[in-house]
Amino acid sequence: LAKTTQPISMDSYEGQEVNITCSHNNIATNDYITWYQQFPSQGPRFIIQGYKTKVTNEVASLFIPADRKSSTLSLPRVSLSDTAVYYCLVGDRDSWGKLQFGAGTQVVVTP
Amino acid sequence: DAMVIQNPRYQVTQFGKPVTLSCSQTLNHNVMYWYQQKSSQAPKLLFHYYDKDFNNEADTPDNFQSRRPNTSFCFLDIRSPGLGDAAMYLCATSRERQATDTQYFGPGTRLTVL
Repeated sequence: LAKTTQPISMDSYEGQEVNITCSHNNIATNDYITWYQQFPSQGPRFIIQGYKTKVTNEVASLFIPADRKSSTLSLPRVSLSDTAVYYCLVGDRDSWGKLQFGAGTQVVVTP
Repeated sequence: DAMVIQNPRYQVTQFGKPVTLSCSQTLNHNVMYWYQQKSSQAPKLLFHYYDKDFNNEADTPDNFQSRRPNTSFCFLDIRSPGLGDAAMYLCATSRERQATDTQYFGPGTRLTVL
């Protein structure tokens, strides 16, 4: 499983866009990039997953450059309820579902 | 709504007194996982079941055991809890055990050891 590196914390104001970059220099050809969100005292929740280029859903966008050594989770117009820890994970279809969580990024949104 | 349910949400036990945590799912998923999450740390996988096939992580202490009597239920048994076992225990499920399969987490059980 490729190791990931993320910023420990990020602060933002309501209404701003938050971009969290995750480094995964040793990503393998078959690896996918997945992001989970965790609120205090709750289990993590899947946000988005991608393999290359850009993926967008109703919650976030995921940008993956051509070399795939990093990825950026973009949260548009954050609100107070987006305050959470965001985890970047990398794994392939044969990883037997072994989600290896890194330290995560604590995002704090203030008014 | 289909979901992952964990009971109880809060559990207090005494040092050395066995405790069982429960997880149930209505998703009919093949895989059920148990994670341990200590304060301000990331979740750490303890073991998982793929159907009835039990898969232990290499560094999971023998003090932790699990049972899956049927598709819907999975239990985490801590035989002799120590103070270091105080943590949030998270149950998750996925349809298959590939990294591309979304894992659905329950709300967790917070275990306190006195």
